[in-house]
Amino acid sequence: QKEVEQDPGPLSVPEGAIVSLNCTYSNSAFQYFMWYRQYSRKGPELLMYTYSSGNKEDGRFTAQVDKSSKYISLFIRDSQPSDSATYLCAMLRAAGNKLTFGGGTRVLVKP
Amino acid sequence: GAVVSQHPSWVICKSGTSVKIECRSLDFQATTMFWYRQFPKQSLMLMATSNEGSKATYEQGVEKDKFLINHASLTLSTLTVTSAHPEDSSFYICSAHKFSGSANEQFFGPGTRLTVL
Repeated sequence: QKEVEQDPGPLSVPEGAIVSLNCTYSNSAFQYFMWYRQYSRKGPELLMYTYSSGNKEDGRFTAQVDKSSKYISLFIRDSQPSDSATYLCAMLRAAGNKLTFGGGTRVLVKP
Repeated sequence: GAVVSQHPSWVICKSGTSVKIECRSLDFQATTMFWYRQFPKQSLMLMATSNEGSKATYEQGVEKDKFLINHASLTLSTLTVTSAHPEDSSFYICSAHKFSGSANEQFFGPGTRLTVL
């Protein structure tokens, strides 16, 4: 069983819809949670960074962490075709700096 | 945020030659950098952890004599693929670790696409 599970998609939504992404994890040692966006043939770009349970909002993006359920989510409001990319969740233990990635979810926003 | 650059962005080489890829943190110092490999439609696979001033730590299954890592300064790490073969063709991405206060973040470079003929 992988430490971090993420549905690979693809997830196809119409422009303007809410994109809902999530990851589950099994190791309670994970304390820092990140969402990255990766366009084809580019490096991942850090979108959101959280380290406590609850919601964090940044523009059209909302990250949600539920440590009791070992479940994190990313919501993208008012999705645009430019949001079409692969979204990767990643986690860090409190001690250490080695990221553990989910497999990535491919998102396609259709105009 | 923070900026990490990679050079070159794209390289083609003949089988048997060596290729060096540079990773630089442009606006912060990084005592730790990471090297990843990514195959098409797959997630990132960590190859090694590069620590400034010390030997790199390689993940299981990664040949340290084939993938040479040097982290000579707080802003530069290099990955050299020695005696490259077609199966080494991949997308190589570095990241730099930035830790300040309560933030514990990694920022990625744009990647280097290696094609070995």
